[in-house]
Amino acid sequence: SQQGEEDPQALSIQEGENATMNCSYKTSINNLQWYRQNSGRGLVHLILIRSNEREKHSGRLRVTLDTSKKSSSLLITASRAADTASYFCATDHNQGGKLIFGQGTELSVKP
Amino acid sequence: KAGVTQTPRYLIKTRGQQVTLSCSPISGHRSVSWYQQTPGQGLQFLFEYFSETQRNKGNFPGRFSGRQFSNSRSEMNVSTLELGDSALYLCASSIKGGDLTEAFFGQGTRLTVV
Repeated sequence: SQQGEEDPQALSIQEGENATMNCSYKTSINNLQWYRQNSGRGLVHLILIRSNEREKHSGRLRVTLDTSKKSSSLLITASRAADTASYFCATDHNQGGKLIFGQGTELSVKP
Repeated sequence: KAGVTQTPRYLIKTRGQQVTLSCSPISGHRSVSWYQQTPGQGLQFLFEYFSETQRNKGNFPGRFSGRQFSNSRSEMNVSTLELGDSALYLCASSIKGGDLTEAFFGQGTRLTVV
């Protein structure tokens, strides 16, 4: 399968805690993107990190990329109940607009 | 700026019928991709169009087809529907597709085949 892998599959934390999700992929990438999906709705683009970048921040989000290990992590700091959603990583391998998605991490943030 | 618009949002069809889904990309975006999302297989790439040309196709049977119009709007068609085609179909648009461009998704069309 070309799909990447994400872990954990599910994560339950309390509001205010940090949440870390990991993503691994198999072949070299142009960039890696993280998305959020609320309960079977559309995907919301969170952040894009390029293959020559190692870390990127956006608000409470921090993404790291280790191309030698073919892995990325998404950290959400000071989580809120509204962060409850599924989070997916997607890799761009320069294949004509095709993104390869991981299986996703289901995050539950309890108030 | 309006986002990606998919219509219809929900659809119920009978086995053997065909269905057409529509996607209007963000203004100025020329690349439109389609994905199928199911609980078992996750998000899988169907095809991508850029300037009315299909550039890439996923591993789906020929019953799945698509096209893109000169205004970048795209349609996908599924013929001879099977129960397994029940899924959330998502469309994404980007300025040029691939290579450092962000893909923005619509809300999806939930297709149920009975």
